[in-house]
Amino acid sequence: GAGVSQTPSNKVTEKGKYVELRCDPISGHTALYWYRQSLGQGPEFLIYFQGTGAADDSGLPNDRFFAVRPEGSVSTLKIQRTERGDSAVYLCASSLRGQLAYEQFFGPGTRLTVL
Amino acid sequence: GQQVMQIPQYQHVQEGEDFTTYCNSSTTLSNIQWYKQRPGGHPVFLIQLVKSGEVKKQKRLTFQFGEAKKNSSLHITATQTTDVGTYFCAGWMGSARQLTFGSGTQLTVLP
Repeated sequence: GAGVSQTPSNKVTEKGKYVELRCDPISGHTALYWYRQSLGQGPEFLIYFQGTGAADDSGLPNDRFFAVRPEGSVSTLKIQRTERGDSAVYLCASSLRGQLAYEQFFGPGTRLTVL
Repeated sequence: GQQVMQIPQYQHVQEGEDFTTYCNSSTTLSNIQWYKQRPGGHPVFLIQLVKSGEVKKQKRLTFQFGEAKKNSSLHITATQTTDVGTYFCAGWMGSARQLTFGSGTQLTVLP
């Protein structure tokens, strides 16, 4: 079946611009996670959705970052006033349930470059 | 804050040699998961360990969870070129609802 998909695969933007990154999880997965991965590092947690609500957004670095999942399926990560330090690969993952016993399925990621 | 450390950061082995990566947490883990990320790819789940002292095997891969549930290891016997990639451990800590990843061990297998 279809895995987790993310669009766009690459995004180049200028400092100060607004960007939206989209994640389409595996059908039926109630939990959705956003991570950020810099070169040579492990994925860094940003936010976790259980259904439509953000159950844990403690990883969002500041108020320029916001994410939504209005219908409990597709999620959008929004970054305002982008900075060069926001450049990274943004990974989305989904799991059947939002509990520690479940494996996470990752999408291919969106590579964001802020010039 | 909560941290998961992994060593070594890089490992080059000759094909057929063994490989081990170690994972240590600053706090007790509820469970630990291992993921593999091929160059240019995304993390792919390998296994989950839950019980203190648990050992699980997948063909040439052996995973261990420490007695104190603060450390774990992944051992690969007789590496093959298909084992190339970065191996990450990731731990769930207590009541946290997030997975904390280690920094990974990048394995290179020389033919």
